[in-house]
Amino acid sequence: KAGVTQTPRYLIKTRGQQVTLSCSPISGHRSVSWYQQTPGQGLQFLFEYFSETQRNKGNFPGRFSGRQFSNSRSEMNVSTLELGDSALYLCASSPRLGGSALHLDNEQFFGPGTRLTVL
Amino acid sequence: GQQVMQIPQYQHVQEGEDFTTYCNSSTTLSNIQWYKQRPGGHPVFLIQLVKSGEVKKQKRLTFQFGEAKKNSSLHITATQTTDVGTYFCAGKNTGTASKLTFGTGTRLQVTL
Repeated sequence: KAGVTQTPRYLIKTRGQQVTLSCSPISGHRSVSWYQQTPGQGLQFLFEYFSETQRNKGNFPGRFSGRQFSNSRSEMNVSTLELGDSALYLCASSPRLGGSALHLDNEQFFGPGTRLTVL
Repeated sequence: GQQVMQIPQYQHVQEGEDFTTYCNSSTTLSNIQWYKQRPGGHPVFLIQLVKSGEVKKQKRLTFQFGEAKKNSSLHITATQTTDVGTYFCAGKNTGTASKLTFGTGTRLQVTL
């Protein structure tokens, strides 16, 4: 099976611009989560989508949004970029929405990430 | 909100020495996962622990889930240079709406 793919891999934007990142999960996986990784803040959860619905959201401003399509592919959008948005954005897919502690297959399969630099 | 802290933040060992990272949650967890991220790479799932007091081993790696399900540890015996990377724990509270919260991570450096 092909792994999680993310495009683009690298992106340079300027303050005030907006950006859209794309994630294709592993075939058959219906849950897609997005994380922001920075040296100072570590791995911060952005949101999780399952069956085209946002199921969970982290503590990020409304400038961060996302969506999931019927084929489980997901996009996230950041509007009015700020310098502090520079980070590695990671997408992770899971076979299902995590719920029962006994679901041993809700591990996250991460993509290679998109490195966003805001100048 | 839920917080998951890891200590130490960074550890530098010589090859052959043991290494342990500790993970502590502010809330009781339904399960805990561990991930490894190599430099320049992305997190890769290592294991999931579910039961109170559970211990699992993967070759030189030993994972433990605390009795109160609020803490966990990863111990590496006789480190090798291939163990270099950042180790993250990630915990999930009970409930279907619960999100996975990653720990702050422990960066391991191994030198010959």
